[in-house]
Amino acid sequence: DAGVIQSPRHEVTEMGQEVTLRCKPISGHDYLFWYRQTMMRGLELLIYFNNNVPIDDSGMPEDRFSAKMPNASFSTLKIQPSEPRDSAVYFCASSPRDRSYEQYFGPGTRLTVT
Amino acid sequence: GESVGLHLPTLSVQEGDNSIINCAYSNSASDYFIWYKQESGKGPQFIIDIRSNMDKRQGQRVTVLLNKTVKHLSLQIAATQPGDSAVYFCAEKDFNKFYFGSGTKLNVKP
Repeated sequence: DAGVIQSPRHEVTEMGQEVTLRCKPISGHDYLFWYRQTMMRGLELLIYFNNNVPIDDSGMPEDRFSAKMPNASFSTLKIQPSEPRDSAVYFCASSPRDRSYEQYFGPGTRLTVT
Repeated sequence: GESVGLHLPTLSVQEGDNSIINCAYSNSASDYFIWYKQESGKGPQFIIDIRSNMDKRQGQRVTVLLNKTVKHLSLQIAATQPGDSAVYFCAEKDFNKFYFGSGTKLNVKP
């Protein structure tokens, strides 16, 4: 398996623009997680899905952030409108049904909002 | 809310020595504790987990110890190698919500 795939790897955008981050989890994994990593706040869980259904989105910073998982092999994290404080590395991770703690992370998307 | 913190932000060890990375947690309801390794420019990599009803678990060159009395978690790496140089995070799981510590950077000196 190729592991968790994320795209793009780098994104530079201007404040106010819409940003869409993409993730393909490992085939057969039931859980999908979106994280954000910054120097100041470390690694933060934003939202997670179980069998394509959003279970907990309490970590989503505000209404500008939204996530979807239309099928078992694809998820998106959208920021609209983006702000400079959204600059961070965003990770997607997936894990098996019976071992949600064994998360496999993607390479991340480094987002810079100017 | 829950918090997971680390005692040592940076640890330097000689190649071949054993490394011990420590972590404190605060949530008694957490049912699993996990260690991840993150190399520069990459996503975190799962190392080992321990269930809350266990005190010790061993993997390949790694051992995790859990002391629930003082809410302390440690990762021991035997015969540390240059490839072990990375940032190590502890994390705790509370009903599929995960809380990560701030990380400890491990430097392995040749």
